[in-house]
Amino acid sequence: GENVEQHPSTLSVQEGDSAVIKCTYSDSASNYFPWYKQELGKGPQLIIDIRSNVGEKKDQRIAVTLNKTAKHFSLHITETQPEDSAVYFCAALNNAGNMLTFGGGTRLMVKP
Amino acid sequence: NAGVMQNPRHLVRRRGQEARLRCSPMKGHSHVYWYRQLPEEGLKFMVYLQKENIIDESGMPKERFSAEFPKEGPSILRIQQVVRGDSAAYFCASSPPANRGGELFFGEGSRLTVL
Repeated sequence: GENVEQHPSTLSVQEGDSAVIKCTYSDSASNYFPWYKQELGKGPQLIIDIRSNVGEKKDQRIAVTLNKTAKHFSLHITETQPEDSAVYFCAALNNAGNMLTFGGGTRLMVKP
Repeated sequence: NAGVMQNPRHLVRRRGQEARLRCSPMKGHSHVYWYRQLPEEGLKFMVYLQKENIIDESGMPKERFSAEFPKEGPSILRIQQVVRGDSAAYFCASSPPANRGGELFFGEGSRLTVL
């Protein structure tokens, strides 16, 4: 089955700096890669996603890049703000299109 | 349009008791997924259901755990004879019919504590 690795597990940045979180996946047939943000005590919420027919997608301060050859994808947050502090999860959709496999999560702390 | 509704939000059980967690998907969604999250860990897939059918239960423990999604009413995750290791947050997610590679919408989770 699919295996998703996520790094780093914790990331501390100064407000205004950029943050980058990286994930690798194992199933070359996967074609959908969402990123979820989970705040304390809440459920994960989708913040951005990318499909395998594009290499990059941007939404304001958030961008995701995908390298299908290397089987890795990354989340980039620019001009970080304290409210960006949360746990971020990457995920990959399996070949059958019915199961998301999540990475282990990255705890992002943005220091004011 | 209400989101995915889970209840109870918090549940405390003693070892050996039963826990029942309920999930009402978003309106119009017919696919339900259950994930488990241990403290400080990621989300682990448990089971994927459609109405009256279990599609994939490869992540479910072989014993004590069961799930259903009846024709009417919410999906239910049932844990019999709970043990301390069952303490976790259980998240339900839903997606619309024919969701080939689309977004999952998560509920706020049910946090089970086993004393």
